[in-house]
Amino acid sequence: DAKTTQPTSMDCAEGRAANLPCNHSTISGNEYVYWYRQIHSQGPQYIIHGLKNNETNEMASLIITEDRKSSTLILPHATLRDTAVYYCIVSNAGGTSYGKLTFGQGTILTVHP
Amino acid sequence: GAVVSQHPSRVICKSGTSVKIECRSLDFQATTMFWYRQFPKQSLMLMATSNEGSKATYEQGVEKDKFLINHASLTLSTLTVTSAHPEDSSFYICSARVSGGWNTGELFFGEGSRLTVL
Repeated sequence: DAKTTQPTSMDCAEGRAANLPCNHSTISGNEYVYWYRQIHSQGPQYIIHGLKNNETNEMASLIITEDRKSSTLILPHATLRDTAVYYCIVSNAGGTSYGKLTFGQGTILTVHP
Repeated sequence: GAVVSQHPSRVICKSGTSVKIECRSLDFQATTMFWYRQFPKQSLMLMATSNEGSKATYEQGVEKDKFLINHASLTLSTLTVTSAHPEDSSFYICSARVSGGWNTGELFFGEGSRLTVL
């Protein structure tokens, strides 16, 4: 799986949008971009994923650059409960190895009042 | 939505004892489950892939005789830490993939089990 690079930490004010960047310059054509987050002492929680088009769901939006070498996760209105470690992962969506995720160090997002 | 449950959520044991951690898919069948380990202030590290009815596949550096994995049914995988030592103290997390599912929405993580070996 392609490697990802994320900032170590970010801060965001409550109610503002949180924009978390991720670089994945070695991504291959059949690899998706996934975002998970982990709140302290809990298992990872799926947020969103995409291949090349921008995606939006009830939790977040995912913006993928045209060359697919980077992406940005957007939490439109961050709350204190969004404080967590956010992981950007690149992996194949199908095949027998699906689900075998390689977690990097992620970005520690701190939302403050 | 689908739920993956781990038990126990916390366990404290004495050095030299064995500890079993269960991972259950509550409302779906999971042919494949994954076990991760997470040390404090570190990221999740994949330990092994557990396949129902067959032997688990271990990642490089993970001792299969130390971390016994059994996936006897489509809803249950167990991880047994044998002869646990303080360095095995960690947060163990499982994930389960819906049988035949290829989409990210069909991969679910458990809440994790914190093991402390005294």
